[in-house]
Amino acid sequence: GIQVEQSPPDLILQEGANSTLRCNFSDSVNNLQWFHQNPWGQLINLFYIPSGTKQNGRLSATTVATERYSLLYISSSQTTDSGVYFCAVDGSGYSTLTFGKGTMLLVSP
Amino acid sequence: DGGITQSPKYLFRKEGQNVTLSCEQNLNHDAMYWYRQDPGQGLRLIYYSQIVNDFQKGDIAEGYSVSREKKESFPLTVTSAQKNPTAFYLCASRQNGGETQYFGPGTRLLVL
Repeated sequence: GIQVEQSPPDLILQEGANSTLRCNFSDSVNNLQWFHQNPWGQLINLFYIPSGTKQNGRLSATTVATERYSLLYISSSQTTDSGVYFCAVDGSGYSTLTFGKGTMLLVSP
Repeated sequence: DGGITQSPKYLFRKEGQNVTLSCEQNLNHDAMYWYRQDPGQGLRLIYYSQIVNDFQKGDIAEGYSVSREKKESFPLTVTSAQKNPTAFYLCASRQNGGETQYFGPGTRLLVL
């Protein structure tokens, strides 16, 4: 099956700093989503982005499908950005998602 | 409010017992999914259902069973055959033809 690798596994930032999270995948995909998991376990959709670039406030994402990677940018980080960021892809065509292991982000005041 | 609910939030089970986790959605979504998350890991797909009365195994279906008798409900049973059931279980749903999966708040299962 398709493999999803995220880097870095852990990231510690001071409030106000910028960061880039990376997701590499091993095959072509129909769907790519970025999620944020808060400390209580809830997963929140950030982006649906199988290709191209999207922005939502301080967050933006870019997927280069031909090179099989996606990047999530967080600018001017806030403590509420802390949590785990997951990249998930659908390579099966059955609308099922394969998740990476995530990047754990800690933003300190 | 529209959304996905999972109950209970925490569940304790003795070894050898079956337990059923509830997942209900009022979003009128066709597809529903169950995932398992272990500490420090990503989510892994257990079962999914694209339509009522039909479901398919995911990557780690052994020791689990599901039913889909109603569009809004997709309960997951963790059977005694599941060797390591302690985990965080997440349910999701998606409108057929839609782009994104939406997740419930999860159930933490602890086997004592």
